[in-house]
Amino acid sequence: KAGVTQTPRYLIKTRGQQVTLSCSPISGHRSVSWYQQTPGQGLQFLFEYFSETQRNKGNFPGRFSGRQFSNSRSEMNVSTLELGDSALYLCASSLVAASNTEAFFGQGTRLTVV
Amino acid sequence: DQQVKQNSPSLSVQEGRISILNCDYTNSMFDYFLWYKKYPAEGPTFLISISSIKDKNEDGRFTVFLNKSAKHLSLHIVPSQPGDSAVYFCAASLIQNNDMRFGAGTRLTVKP
Repeated sequence: KAGVTQTPRYLIKTRGQQVTLSCSPISGHRSVSWYQQTPGQGLQFLFEYFSETQRNKGNFPGRFSGRQFSNSRSEMNVSTLELGDSALYLCASSLVAASNTEAFFGQGTRLTVV
Repeated sequence: DQQVKQNSPSLSVQEGRISILNCDYTNSMFDYFLWYKKYPAEGPTFLISISSIKDKNEDGRFTVFLNKSAKHLSLHIVPSQPGDSAVYFCAASLIQNNDMRFGAGTRLTVKP
């Protein structure tokens, strides 16, 4: 059973640009959550999608957006990149949205904004 | 708004001894708690969880304790092994949704 796949693994962008990150959940999982990890801040919740609908949203500006497709794959977009957006972005998949059993994380996308 | 706090950024213990990682939360509505372990260049992996109706859950060398009145949970690893060296994140959530809140993590180093 394939795990959670995130692409790309590494990305370097310039301030002001926009970026799209992709996450393919485990087959059969319908919930995808996105997290930002920075040193000292830990994992901060961005948003969660279930069946193509955003169910929950964290405290991030509107520059951060996402979507989920019918095959449960999810994309996260960050527009007008800032230096502070440099972080490891992780996605996690779960079987159903209302589940609080373990979530399975991908390896993350390391975004560097210069 | 840091609803989940891990106040110790790092912890070093000797192999064979007990490792105790602590976590505090502020939202009394949280009713499910999890610990994740993260190695460098890998995503976090689930370790152990506990629901708010319990005060202890054990899985092999790992035990999680929950003190609801103090809004505190801890992870005990006994005996600690060098392979346990990793960053440990605690997380809290509401049963109804998938919105997990994580702490900043504690880097555990187990010395041989």
